[in-house]
Amino acid sequence: LAKTTQPISMDSYEGQEVNITCSHNNIATNDYITWYQQFPSQGPRFIIQGYKTKVTNEVASLFIPADRKSSTLSLPRVSLSDTAVYYCLVGSQNTGNQFYFGTGTSLTVIP
Amino acid sequence: DARVTQTPRDKVTEMGQEVTMRCQPILGHNTVFWYRQTMMQGLELLAYFRNRAPLDDSGMPKDRFSAEMPDATLATLKIQPSEPRDSAVYFCASGLGLAETDTQYFGPGTRLTVL
Repeated sequence: LAKTTQPISMDSYEGQEVNITCSHNNIATNDYITWYQQFPSQGPRFIIQGYKTKVTNEVASLFIPADRKSSTLSLPRVSLSDTAVYYCLVGSQNTGNQFYFGTGTSLTVIP
Repeated sequence: DARVTQTPRDKVTEMGQEVTMRCQPILGHNTVFWYRQTMMQGLELLAYFRNRAPLDDSGMPKDRFSAEMPDATLATLKIQPSEPRDSAVYFCASGLGLAETDTQYFGPGTRLTVL
């Protein structure tokens, strides 16, 4: 089971870039890396997904080194509305690990 | 804007009562997930369906919980009898069931309080 390890919490000022790193030493060959965001009183929401190197969308970037044992979610110029819990998931339909959300990282953006 | 819907949004009941939570997945999605979230345990997978067939319900207490999909547009999670330790937010999610991975679209959740 490709368990993940993330920092419990992070603080950042508005306008700064935030990088949240997730460790997944036991990632399997078929596993993808997926990040979700959860606001209070809401269900998690998909942010970004990748397999290797770099993926970018309108919300974030995901950096994955060659060994894939870790990944970094990068949020450019955060605002107060980015305050949320961010979950890193590692898995695939084959391994079934994509359901393990772990504790996530609670990001607080400070004015 | 397609969304997963869940009813009820809030439920307060007494210990021993039956609780039924309902979920309408996004039209066209063939995978449905039930999760439970508490402060202590975080988000835990309870059950997982693909094409209405249960694939994994190992996270669900079998003696009191049951999950079904009567049809492709309705998933239910039932607790009988309910206990105070079942108090949590229950989320339903649906997905397209892609081969490599499955982006999950979550509903707003049902907040259950068992007194």
